[in-house]
Amino acid sequence: ELKVEQNPLFLSMQEGKNYTIYCNYSTTSDRLYWYRQDPGKSLESLFVLLSNGAVKQEGRLMASLDTKARLSTLHITAAVHDLSATYFCAVDFWSNYQLIWGAGTKLIIKP
Amino acid sequence: EAGVAQSPRYKIIEKRQSVAFWCNPISGHATLYWYQQILGQGPKLLIQFQNNGVVDDSQLPKDRFSAERLKGVDSTLKIQPAKLEDSAVYLCASSLDPRRDRGEKLFFGSGTQLSVL
Repeated sequence: ELKVEQNPLFLSMQEGKNYTIYCNYSTTSDRLYWYRQDPGKSLESLFVLLSNGAVKQEGRLMASLDTKARLSTLHITAAVHDLSATYFCAVDFWSNYQLIWGAGTKLIIKP
Repeated sequence: EAGVAQSPRYKIIEKRQSVAFWCNPISGHATLYWYQQILGQGPKLLIQFQNNGVVDDSQLPKDRFSAERLKGVDSTLKIQPAKLEDSAVYLCASSLDPRRDRGEKLFFGSGTQLSVL
C-alpha cells in the first residue's frame, strides 16, 4: 500500500526555536512536494524536490529529500509567528502527478 | 495572473440532494484536478483531466460523483445523491503539463466547503 506519513501531526513551539517536520513514504519515489495551508485557505506550493539529496531553501524553511531512506524533512529555523500553518508533504509515486498526501502537520508558533 | 477560481465557496445541503461545483483553472493550464479534503486529512485525488480527457478517476465514487471538463477549460464536479460522509472541502487545482516538466507545481483554488446534513 502506498503511504505517506508525517510526524509530528501537531507541533506547538516558541518563536525563535528550530524544529523539523518529517515525511516518510512507503516505496520508491524521487518526486516530493511540500505545501502550506493557512486556516480556511487553499494550498500553496513551497518546494518541489526531484532527486536524491535535493535541498531547497526559502527564508526560514529548508526542505531536503533522501530517496534511499524514503524521507523528506522540512526544517524551520528561528520560527516566527507568520509560519503558523498546516504543512503537507505529497509524493508522486507513478511520475504522473497523481499525488499521495500526508495527513499534514499543524504548526503553531507562539510569541 | 489570475488564480484558480472555484464556486460556490460554501454549500449546505441535506443528504440525498444533489450539488455541483465549478472550477476555472489558470489560463493555459492543460491539467486539472479535483481533490476531496476531509477535515484533519490530506487531500485525496478524485479525478485528473488532461485537456478534456480523463487521466485518472480511480478514486472517484462513480455511483454518485461525476465530473466533466468540456472544451478543456472549465470543469464541474457533481454529487448525486449526497451522503453525510461527503462533507468535506472540494479543491480544484491546475498545472501545466506535468509530463513535460517534472517540477511543475499544482495551483489550488480556495475550495468549496460542503456540509451534508
